[in-house]
Amino acid sequence: AQSVTQPDIHITVSEGASLELRCNYSYGATPYLFWYVQSPGQGLQLLLKYFSGDTLVQGIKGFEAEFKRSQSSFNLRKPSVHWSDAAEYFCAVGGTDSWGKLQFGSGTQVVVTP
Amino acid sequence: DVKVTQSSRYLVKRTGEKVFLECVQDMDHENMFWYRQDPGLGLRLIYFSYDVKMKEKGDIPEGYSVSREKKERFSLILESASTNQTSMYLCASSLSTEINSPLHFGNGTRLTVT
Repeated sequence: AQSVTQPDIHITVSEGASLELRCNYSYGATPYLFWYVQSPGQGLQLLLKYFSGDTLVQGIKGFEAEFKRSQSSFNLRKPSVHWSDAAEYFCAVGGTDSWGKLQFGSGTQVVVTP
Repeated sequence: DVKVTQSSRYLVKRTGEKVFLECVQDMDHENMFWYRQDPGLGLRLIYFSYDVKMKEKGDIPEGYSVSREKKERFSLILESASTNQTSMYLCASSLSTEINSPLHFGNGTRLTVT
């Protein structure tokens, strides 16, 4: 069965500091991995996705993520956080057999302090 | 830009009422989804539809039904609302069932059942 684990429920980071959000997945076939962000009062917006090829993928808003098959991980990073990055972040997994459905993690709430 | 519109931002209903949540997308997308979002649980798929009049159960369909009479509209129905259905409901659409077709989300409907 497919599943996604985001071990950190809540992270507090200072503005300008680096950020790393963890994501571990379990998927029986080749995984397609996604990170979404949800700003307060908004729906989810796609940050980036990994399908194949280069294991380091770049996304919008200065985010990047690295796929590590050996660790079943797809961690999200940003070198320098801005106050506008305060949001909830969701990792998700799907596959070519999933009819476009995604399995989402439980989310990580990011708080940015001045 | 794709727009997914959920008709209500907030709803308050009484136990036992029949509740309709409406979602409309304006980009001729084939796939539409209803997710439920709860703290600590992330997003869980209730139902999805890959074509008009077609529907498939997601992970938590109990207590819900759906209707898709037109391509652009996907309705979630709570036949007899219960307090454990108090939640945030997110509608999403995607162009096709291909996994590389990104999900576009509405802003959500926060339903309270009293």
